[in-house]
Amino acid sequence: AQSVTQPDIHITVSEGASLELRCNYSYGATPYLFWYVQSPGQGLQLLLKYFSGDTLVQGIKGFEAEFKRSQSSFNLRKPSVHWSDAAEYFCAGSLQYGNKLVFGAGTILRVKS
Amino acid sequence: DAGVIQSPRHEVTEMGQEVTLRCKPISGHDYLFWYRQTMMRGLELLIYFNNNVPIDDSGMPEDRFSAKMPNASFSTLKIQPSEPRDSAVYFCASSDRETQYFGPGTRLLVL
Repeated sequence: AQSVTQPDIHITVSEGASLELRCNYSYGATPYLFWYVQSPGQGLQLLLKYFSGDTLVQGIKGFEAEFKRSQSSFNLRKPSVHWSDAAEYFCAGSLQYGNKLVFGAGTILRVKS
Repeated sequence: DAGVIQSPRHEVTEMGQEVTLRCKPISGHDYLFWYRQTMMRGLELLIYFNNNVPIDDSGMPEDRFSAKMPNASFSTLKIQPSEPRDSAVYFCASSDRETQYFGPGTRLLVL
């Protein structure tokens, strides 16, 4: 069965520190992969996406993610976290363009000053 | 573009009442999705449409839930009768075939 796993439910980092959020996928083929962010009371905003090609993907707000086929991973990174990055982050996958996204459980990021 | 528009943003109702959630997708998008988000189950896909036609409704929890898309610019999700366990945030998303764009959600509370 297709699945996306985010092993960390909560992560706390200090403002200015680097961040890495983990995402692993289980699909029969390489899926299209996405990272979304959800601030409290808001909808999901797309941070970045990977379809093919360069395995290092740049997104909005200074985020990037690296696709690693050998590890079935698509981890999200940011070199220096800002207090405004505190939110919930979702990794998602799909086998086809635009449909049937399977979401991970989400990782709640807390930023301490 | 205004993005995906959902109404109402908040809904409080009593058990047994009918609830209708509305969604206006981004113009030109030919896929529309309804999701439900709860603490216990996370984000679940309920149903999705392509060119106004329901493609997969396997996520609809039971017959009390129904969804329609009468035209390319409007969709509804109806719960009748509502139950307390339906309390959740319901998201609508539309897709340009590459990426799904989400609306702000409707927070539903069934008392």
